[in-house]
Amino acid sequence: DGGITQSPKYLFRKEGQNVTLSCEQNLNHDAMYWYRQDPGQGLRLIYYSQIVNDFQKGDIAEGYSVSREKKESFPLTVTSAQKNPTAFYLCASKRTGTENTEAFFGQGTRLTVV
Amino acid sequence: GQQVMQIPQYQHVQEGEDFTTYCNSSTTLSNIQWYKQRPGGHPVFLIQLVKSGEVKKQKRLTFQFGEAKKNSSLHITATQTTDVGTYFCAGPGGAGSYQLTFGKGTKLSVIP
Repeated sequence: DGGITQSPKYLFRKEGQNVTLSCEQNLNHDAMYWYRQDPGQGLRLIYYSQIVNDFQKGDIAEGYSVSREKKESFPLTVTSAQKNPTAFYLCASKRTGTENTEAFFGQGTRLTVV
Repeated sequence: GQQVMQIPQYQHVQEGEDFTTYCNSSTTLSNIQWYKQRPGGHPVFLIQLVKSGEVKKQKRLTFQFGEAKKNSSLHITATQTTDVGTYFCAGPGGAGSYQLTFGKGTKLSVIP
């Protein structure tokens, strides 16, 4: 089945540790996105990538890093520089070639930093 | 950058009442998309509007795109408990950009 997979669903980490969230898609989509969701804040864009080996900062990129070495994969690292990392993280992908395409989301990873 | 404002943030309705959420952009949009996120779930695409003044219907849901392509609305007629969730609008970045910016969403609660 085609889709977008995030793992793990729940993640606990100690303060000061870096943590990497996985996002894999087999939809053959060029564009991939990472969003952070906090209560009352909607979906805020962290990073996005339109093509392999290229990515752009979104609105809240500070304290995060990404890589796009393969079309299928767009991992997000939450670094110790992120002041308030506890949140729900959503990965999405969509086709390119036209702006008018829907985004498909993964199930999300809920990160708790203690 | 592009900003998409959405109101209201929360809406509580009695089952059977109507519901509307509004989305406004600071710039003209080439298209606007609507998504629904059920409690505990992830956003799921509902529809995309492209043309100025466009109106689309999905059963009890009516979506409109403003004439100036800067605002949009989602109207639900006779809400049901299955409509519970958060509704988001989303707009693209500038020309040539695949950035996708979401509004803060409207959380709908339906009282049975």
